[in-house]
Amino acid sequence: AQSVTQLGSHVSVSEGALVLLRCNYSSSVPPYLFWYVQYPNQGLQLLLKYTSAATLVKGINGFEAEFKKSETSFHLTKPSAHMSDAAEYFCAVTGQGNLIFGKGTKLSVKP
Amino acid sequence: GAGVSQSPSNKVTEKGKDVELRCDPISGHTALYWYRQSLGQGLEFLIYFQGNSAPDKSGLPSDRFSAERTGGSVSTLTIQRTQQEDSAVYLCASSFRLDIGTEAFFGQGTRLTVV
Repeated sequence: AQSVTQLGSHVSVSEGALVLLRCNYSSSVPPYLFWYVQYPNQGLQLLLKYTSAATLVKGINGFEAEFKKSETSFHLTKPSAHMSDAAEYFCAVTGQGNLIFGKGTKLSVKP
Repeated sequence: GAGVSQSPSNKVTEKGKDVELRCDPISGHTALYWYRQSLGQGLEFLIYFQGNSAPDKSGLPSDRFSAERTGGSVSTLTIQRTQQEDSAVYLCASSFRLDIGTEAFFGQGTRLTVV
């Protein structure tokens, strides 16, 4: 069985500051991991995914995430936040064909 | 079609009525997923299909909820005797094969309001 925990339902950063959104997973099989983003009043779109090819994964809009097996983590980072990054971010895990999401983290960016 | 299509986009129904929500996945995608999104609850997994079979129905909230998929394509989520707590956005996604790490693509959702 798989599960995902996202620490912090709401994160607020200043424009230009580091963005760090936390995701921890549980999986009984080697996982595939995803980060999705949902902008206000829009559907979900893929930011990046981990499929065991490389532990540091780069995605769209300057985001990246690092898979750490020892910590069962897949945290999302961006060096410098932009106002347009304000959205809700979801971490997800699969390993057996299912796809399980965390509860999401809403990112606010202050000018 | 080019993407996952869901219909209707909005549905208002009276408490106690049955509703059917439809999902047309991307052509060739064997896996199909249903989720419910409520404020503050994230994406609640409901059910997923591999082809026409449903290996995991564990997320269906009650026996009022059912889903089927025919021809390995279109899926219908049915909610019988709707209750106000069923009000939410119902999202559908499809994937070629998640078990090899291909991504899932989402539809725009059906917003269900039970009055």
